[in-house]
Amino acid sequence: NAGVMQNPRHLVRRRGQEARLRCSPMKGHSHVYWYRQLPEEGLKFMVYLQKENIIDESGMPKERFSAEFPKEGPSILRIQQVVRGDSAAYFCASSPNRANTEAFFGQGTRLTVV
Amino acid sequence: GESVGLHLPTLSVQEGDNSIINCAYSNSASDYFIWYKQESGKGPQFIIDIRSNMDKRQGQRVTVLLNKTVKHLSLQIAATQPGDSAVYFCAENPGKLIFGQGTELSVKP
Repeated sequence: NAGVMQNPRHLVRRRGQEARLRCSPMKGHSHVYWYRQLPEEGLKFMVYLQKENIIDESGMPKERFSAEFPKEGPSILRIQQVVRGDSAAYFCASSPNRANTEAFFGQGTRLTVV
Repeated sequence: GESVGLHLPTLSVQEGDNSIINCAYSNSASDYFIWYKQESGKGPQFIIDIRSNMDKRQGQRVTVLLNKTVKHLSLQIAATQPGDSAVYFCAENPGKLIFGQGTELSVKP
């Protein structure tokens, strides 16, 4: 049973470009969470999705950021017109249920904006 | 807003000693807590969890204690090894994981 798979592991984008980060949850998991981590800091919640639904996006910046989790395929975190401040590690986690269950994390995508 | 915080940002222990990492949470409605270990360049790895109807839970070399009265959580690592060196996060789960800042554990040989 493969774990949570994120790709790419490293992504370099120039300012103004778009970044697409992919997350395939563990088999049987229908809940996906995205987190952002700056160096030497903790993980900040961004968005929680179920298949085809955004459940909680209270941590998402109001502009340029969007997320989806289609019926088929991986969850996508999309950042439009990237700026240097978007440089961070983005982690995805999945769980079989919403509350009070263990969430498993992927290895992250490290985005660098140059 | 609600948050989970850690008392100490760094902890240095001698190999073989026991380690204790503390955490305070503020959301009194939280009823599920997890400790994660994160090594450099990797994603958080589940260590142990505890539900609010328990005060203590033990795993292999790790014990989590929960004190709901003072909203305090601790992780105890017995016989700390160099491989335990990492950043440790506590997290509460009221529907989504809320993480604390983290404590960096350094094990001296």
